[in-house]
Amino acid sequence: QSVLTQPPSMSAAPGQKVSISCSGGTSNIGKNYVSWYQQLPGTAPRLLIYDNNKRPSGVPERFSGSKSGTSATLGITGLQTGDEADYYCAIWDDSLTTGLFGGGTKLTVL
Amino acid sequence: QITLKESGPTLVKPTQTLTLTCTFSGFSLTTGGEGVGWVRQPPGKALEWLALIYWDDDERYSPSLKNRLTITKDTSKNQVVLQMTDMDPVDTATYYCAHSNDDGDRRYWYFDLWGRGALVTVS
Repeated sequence: QSVLTQPPSMSAAPGQKVSISCSGGTSNIGKNYVSWYQQLPGTAPRLLIYDNNKRPSGVPERFSGSKSGTSATLGITGLQTGDEADYYCAIWDDSLTTGLFGGGTKLTVL
Repeated sequence: QITLKESGPTLVKPTQTLTLTCTFSGFSLTTGGEGVGWVRQPPGKALEWLALIYWDDDERYSPSLKNRLTITKDTSKNQVVLQMTDMDPVDTATYYCAHSNDDGDRRYWYFDLWGRGALVTVS
């Protein structure tokens, strides 16, 4: 069981909006900066969000990140079938002094 | 342009030691803030953070695997090597190496670029 908790699965219709949560604690999300990754089937993870809410070059504005207290959220608007993927949050944990990944959320766009 | 590529055996026997090499380009592990890490993913399961080495030889290991892992760097070859001892079938996974640069402030850690991964089967 991961220190960072994500819902195992979510689904939404094309064009809709979805919010994926990532719950942690005071030694990780409460202090440090969250990143989010998209993993399309059969591919390596891709950085979507860093520093809680910044998008790397090439990531559409439909993807956004936020953080409040010990929880973070990845928002995706205007869902497309190509957004079907696994999404992971990640962060540095000050107690473990290592990075951590959440358990991942499988997003289905139906 | 930063690229990373994993290489190593595709099949190892139980109790053997796995040695994986990450060969990278586009940055140097002699430059302040730079780091290379390893992440694995068993088939159908989540990502698991394994280890990370920084330009200044700072090494970090997953607490649950610390006794089995060693990460080293060869700056002349632009390579990072991960060794995992006493392999077991549960260690069957795709192993990824990835680039990090948090400018020395771990609060900002993330992996911005990843290799394509190497599937290792333990049997």
